[in-house]
Amino acid sequence: NAGVTQTPKFQVLKTGQSMTLQCAQDMNHEYMSWYRQDPGMGLRLIHYSVGAGITDQGEVPNGYNVSRSTTEDFPLRLLSAAPSQTSVYFCASSYSFASRNTEAFFGQGTRLTVV
Amino acid sequence: TQLLEQSPQFLSIQEGENLTVYCNSSSVFSSLQWYRQEPGEGPVLLVTVVTGGEVKKLKRLTFQFGDARKDSSLHITAAQTGDTGLYLCAGAKRGSTLGRLYFGRGTQLTVWP
Repeated sequence: NAGVTQTPKFQVLKTGQSMTLQCAQDMNHEYMSWYRQDPGMGLRLIHYSVGAGITDQGEVPNGYNVSRSTTEDFPLRLLSAAPSQTSVYFCASSYSFASRNTEAFFGQGTRLTVV
Repeated sequence: TQLLEQSPQFLSIQEGENLTVYCNSSSVFSSLQWYRQEPGEGPVLLVTVVTGGEVKKLKRLTFQFGDARKDSSLHITAAQTGDTGLYLCAGAKRGSTLGRLYFGRGTQLTVWP
């Protein structure tokens, strides 16, 4: 069981470039989310999805887009990278109506540097 | 404003000492979880507490959910160097989107030999 697979693990971008962080899960979870983690700030929710075709904003959505065309995949797009988006990004999946378990499973993270 | 306040933010202790980490809120949660995160990895679930007043033990770790389900604590007895890591509490809030968790800012624990 792969769990949550996140790619890439490291990325350096120039200001203004765009890129997509990939996230896939094989646990049939309805709920998927993206967080960014900065020192002393904990995990801050960027966007989340409760199922294919349904997404919503979290606490810090500006500068990011998401889509959910399948249950398994939840990519995060940076539209025009800025140095303030330098962070570690985590994708997580949790909750299925079948299990009603709220445990969140996290990917290994993407360390993004914007120069 | 953080929905869950964790304290302390940093904790540096010697092996063998005991410690307690707190997670407080003014909101009621249907469940509260504790995660541990090691460098370069994502957080991993340690425990979920669901019932007010519930106490769960995981070897030397004791987790408690407050009676009013607004707070939780994590107590470690005789800390070991392997306990070093970032400890995060996370709550599932009543009336919120199913699956959504609210995270505290974390407690960075360092245990010295």
